[in-house]
Amino acid sequence: GQQVMQIPQYQHVQEGEDFTTYCNSSTTLSNIQWYKQRPGGHPVFLIQLVKSGEVKKQKRLTFQFGEAKKNSSLHITATQTTDVGTYFCAPLHGSSNTGKLIFGQGTTLQVKP
Amino acid sequence: DTGVSQDPRHKITKRGQNVTFRCDPISEHNRLYWYRQTLGQGPEFLTYFQNEAQLEKSRLLSDRFSAERPKGSFSTLEIQRTEQGDSAMYLCASSLAGTVTETQYFGPGTRLLVL
Repeated sequence: GQQVMQIPQYQHVQEGEDFTTYCNSSTTLSNIQWYKQRPGGHPVFLIQLVKSGEVKKQKRLTFQFGEAKKNSSLHITATQTTDVGTYFCAPLHGSSNTGKLIFGQGTTLQVKP
Repeated sequence: DTGVSQDPRHKITKRGQNVTFRCDPISEHNRLYWYRQTLGQGPEFLTYFQNEAQLEKSRLLSDRFSAERPKGSFSTLEIQRTEQGDSAMYLCASSLAGTVTETQYFGPGTRLLVL
């Protein structure tokens, strides 16, 4: 079935350093969503990418969708302690009509102040 | 808009007991999803509803699990004869089908511990 792999699984950075997490799929994706889950919290939607090569920015966060629509990345510039949490990529499974998401295992980010 | 709510937030039960969880989605959302999340993993899809119809159920879901959404509003997830392996966070999410970005809004989850 459709699966995505996220790397790295964990990342510890010093506050102010950059951070990147990568999401890779063996199959072409119709779209991909990114979620953030704070420790003890629930997943919160960040963004959706649909187009090949798409790049979207939200303040210090930059999201990319690969040209082949098989990979995606999230880059955080100058991390802050508020960025702590687990970041999940979640492509829609199969046809986008179902709305069903397949989550990767996530990348957990720790930021040292 | 009060967001997605789930009840209870925590449940401790003994192996073999039945448990039922409730999810109240965002009022205008017609899709409702159930996920299960264990420590260190991403949410795993269990089932979803569009209005009152259960449209898909994960093949990983045993027959001990059943979900309902009788009036197309709130939903319940029941686990019969619980096992220790059922211990997890059960997340509910809702969305509005047909929108350009079908964002799923998650509830706070019900954390289940089976002793």
